[in-house]
Amino acid sequence: NAGVTQTPKFRVLKTGQSMTLLCAQDMNHEYMYWYRQDPGMGLRLIHYSVGEGTTAKGEVPDGYNVSRLKKQNFLLGLESAAPSQTSVYFCASSPHNRGDEQFFGPGTRLTVL
Amino acid sequence: ILNVEQSPQSLHVQEGDSTNFTCSFPSSNFYALHWYRWETAKSPEALFVMTLNGDEKKKGRISATLNTKEGYSYLYIKGSQPEDSATYLCAFITGTASKLTFGTGTRLQVTL
Repeated sequence: NAGVTQTPKFRVLKTGQSMTLLCAQDMNHEYMYWYRQDPGMGLRLIHYSVGEGTTAKGEVPDGYNVSRLKKQNFLLGLESAAPSQTSVYFCASSPHNRGDEQFFGPGTRLTVL
Repeated sequence: ILNVEQSPQSLHVQEGDSTNFTCSFPSSNFYALHWYRWETAKSPEALFVMTLNGDEKKKGRISATLNTKEGYSYLYIKGSQPEDSATYLCAFITGTASKLTFGTGTRLQVTL
């Protein structure tokens, strides 16, 4: 099992460009999450999904969109990147229950110039 | 907004020292408390998921306790080793929420 994988690992964007981050899990987990990690801020939830075809906003959803068309994939989109979106992005998944432990991907380091 | 507070923010100990950290969370409507270990340049990994008041969990030299009535959890590391150097995160979920709220972590550095 690969667990949770994220593509790409690194990316540099110019302000205004768009991109999609892909998260994939092969553990048949129901719940998936996108977080961003900034110095001194810990992990902040951007969007999450409680099952295929569902999405919901987290703490810091502005400027991001998500889709979960397939159970194993959770996509995070930036339509018009801003320097404030420079961060490390982590995807996570958990099995069946919202209180289950979360399994994290390796992270994507995004720089917006 | 639910606040999860961790203390201390950072800690520097010598190899062999035992240490502990605190996680404080709202005591009402408790559902679960998680502890994660996060090494530099890696991703967080779960240590414990705790759900019952009075829970005590142990994994090797690391253990945790939970007090849901007063809203705190302690993480203990016995005989710290350099490989224990990491940030330790706690996260809390209420009975009505669908997602965890993370604290900002305690950064532990263990030196020889």
